[in-house]
Amino acid sequence: AQSVSQHNHHVILSEAASLELGCNYSYGGTVNLFWYVQYPGQHLQLLLKYFSGDPLVKGIKGFEAEFIKSKFSFNLRKPSVQWSDTAEYFCAVTSYSGGGADGLTFGKGTHLIIQP
Amino acid sequence: NAGVTQTPKFRVLKTGQSMTLLCAQDMNHEYMYWYRQDPGMGLRLIHYSVGEGTTAKGEVPDGYNVSRLKKQNFLLGLESAAPSQTSVYFCASTDPSSGRETQYFGPGTRLLVL
Repeated sequence: AQSVSQHNHHVILSEAASLELGCNYSYGGTVNLFWYVQYPGQHLQLLLKYFSGDPLVKGIKGFEAEFIKSKFSFNLRKPSVQWSDTAEYFCAVTSYSGGGADGLTFGKGTHLIIQP
Repeated sequence: NAGVTQTPKFRVLKTGQSMTLLCAQDMNHEYMYWYRQDPGMGLRLIHYSVGEGTTAKGEVPDGYNVSRLKKQNFLLGLESAAPSQTSVYFCASTDPSSGRETQYFGPGTRLLVL
């Protein structure tokens, strides 16, 4: 069974600070990796995804993530955060061979608070 | 396109009552999923369906039943609600045909069981 670990449950930053949220997964095969964001009172939105190719993927709102296969990691980054980035961030994985049939396995989430 | 919609948005139940949550998608997606979200737990898969008439158990299926009678609808039932089922329930769907599945989520149903 696959699992996802997000290292930081709560992160507080000031505006313009740089952000890096850690995500590690455990699965022996090929995976598809995702970062979702949930703004207060809203549903999950896809930030970015990795399926194959360039391990550095860019998403919406200036976010990017780097897939490091040797470390089983898929960390999320943003050079300069804004107050509007306050949200819950979830890393998720699905097995490539499963074709998505077995659903996503989520990390427990990181609650990010940006102080003005 | 409305995407993925969920009904109701919020519901309060008493222990032992039953209810059905409805998920509908208008994207002709083959796969549909039900997740529950609890504080500090992330989202966990309850049940899923890979096509009309098929369902399968996810990580936390106990106390829930599902049905997929129509491709566009995926129903989640609670036969006898328990306080432990207080949660936010999210439905999602995806199209696996491209081999690059991305799940699209509904707005959620907040359920409180007293």
